[in-house]
Amino acid sequence: GQQVMQIPQYQHVQEGEDFTTYCNSSTTLSNIQWYKQRPGGHPVFLIQLVKSGEVKKQKRLTFQFGEAKKNSSLHITATQTTDVGTYFCAGPGYGGSQGNLIFGKGTKLSVKP
Amino acid sequence: DGGITQSPKYLFRKEGQNVTLSCEQNLNHDAMYWYRQDPGQGLRLIYYSQIVNDFQKGDIAEGYSVSREKKESFPLTVTSAQKNPTAFYLCASRYRVDQPQHFGDGTRLSIL
Repeated sequence: GQQVMQIPQYQHVQEGEDFTTYCNSSTTLSNIQWYKQRPGGHPVFLIQLVKSGEVKKQKRLTFQFGEAKKNSSLHITATQTTDVGTYFCAGPGYGGSQGNLIFGKGTKLSVKP
Repeated sequence: DGGITQSPKYLFRKEGQNVTLSCEQNLNHDAMYWYRQDPGQGLRLIYYSQIVNDFQKGDIAEGYSVSREKKESFPLTVTSAQKNPTAFYLCASRYRVDQPQHFGDGTRLSIL
């Protein structure tokens, strides 16, 4: 079935280092969404990418959507302790999963001060 | 202030007991979802509803039941048939297919 895979599963960085998480879909996606879940919290929507090759920035966060619309990445420059949490990518489901979001398993980021 | 309200925040279940988790939204969203999250894991879809009086099973529906009698409400019942119910349960909703999902604060369910 349709799958969205994310790597790495965990990432430990020193504060100030950069961080990147990668997302790969088994199918071409019409869009991809990114969510952040703080420890003990719920997922919060960060951004949606729609166009092939699209790049969007939110302060220190840079999001990319691949040319083939099957992969995406989130890059954080100079991490801070406030970046701690789990980052999920999600793509729209097709066929029997239409109307749903297919989530990756997430990348858990920890930042050492 | 619009949003999704889940209650209770913490819930304890005895053996053989059914428990119901509440999810209410005032965002006028058509679709609602229930996810289960185990420690260190991603989100697994239990049930979803795209419209009132209609719902479909997700990936892990066994041992759970839902109803969607009102647009605003999508309660989840964890039945005694669910042998490993301890988890964090998240309710979400969205307005349209291409729109992001909004999540409630979640309910943590544990076995007594």
